[in-house]
Amino acid sequence: AQSVTQLGSHVSVSEGALVLLRCNYSSSVPPYLFWYVQYPNQGLQLLLKYTSAATLVKGINGFEAEFKKSETSFHLTKPSAHMSDAAEYFCAVVHGSSNTGKLIFGQGTTLQVKP
Amino acid sequence: DGGITQSPKYLFRKEGQNVTLSCEQNLNHDAMYWYRQDPGQGLRLIYYSQIVNDFQKGDIAEGYSVSREKKESFPLTVTSAQKNPTAFYLCASRVGETQYFGPGTRLLVL
Repeated sequence: AQSVTQLGSHVSVSEGALVLLRCNYSSSVPPYLFWYVQYPNQGLQLLLKYTSAATLVKGINGFEAEFKKSETSFHLTKPSAHMSDAAEYFCAVVHGSSNTGKLIFGQGTTLQVKP
Repeated sequence: DGGITQSPKYLFRKEGQNVTLSCEQNLNHDAMYWYRQDPGQGLRLIYYSQIVNDFQKGDIAEGYSVSREKKESFPLTVTSAQKNPTAFYLCASRVGETQYFGPGTRLLVL
């Protein structure tokens, strides 16, 4: 069965520092993987997605993620954090090989950016 | 503008009352989804619909009901059987493998 694990429920970085949010997945089929961002009291916004093309995926707001099959990981990075990056981030994988499109979400990581 | 709208933004429910959350999309997407979000628990799937007049239970369907009479609309009813309805509810629609989300409705119990 598919699952997603986000390591670290809270991550704190200084403004200008590297952002690294970790996501590991398990999947019995080649996965489709996603990162979403959620600002307080808002819906989820798609940051980027991996759909079996390039393993390094670039997204919005300067974020990128690298798919590593050998490590079953899809970590999210940004070279330099901005105060506006403070939000909750969710990693997700498409469930199974069916065409229901159901997503399995990680528990989320709250990113704090300190001035 | 294409997108997903949810209304109301905040909703208050009294004991024993059914309430309905609206979700509308003008993206021409066939599939739509309802999620419940609780602090520290991520998102959990309530119901989903892949086509008009068809829907399936998700992981936590008890105490909820849906309908899909039109492609654009997928309303969620929180019934009196749902004993702990306080949560943030998110609607999404899907094209290909990607889901796009509405702004959410926060349901509170009086």
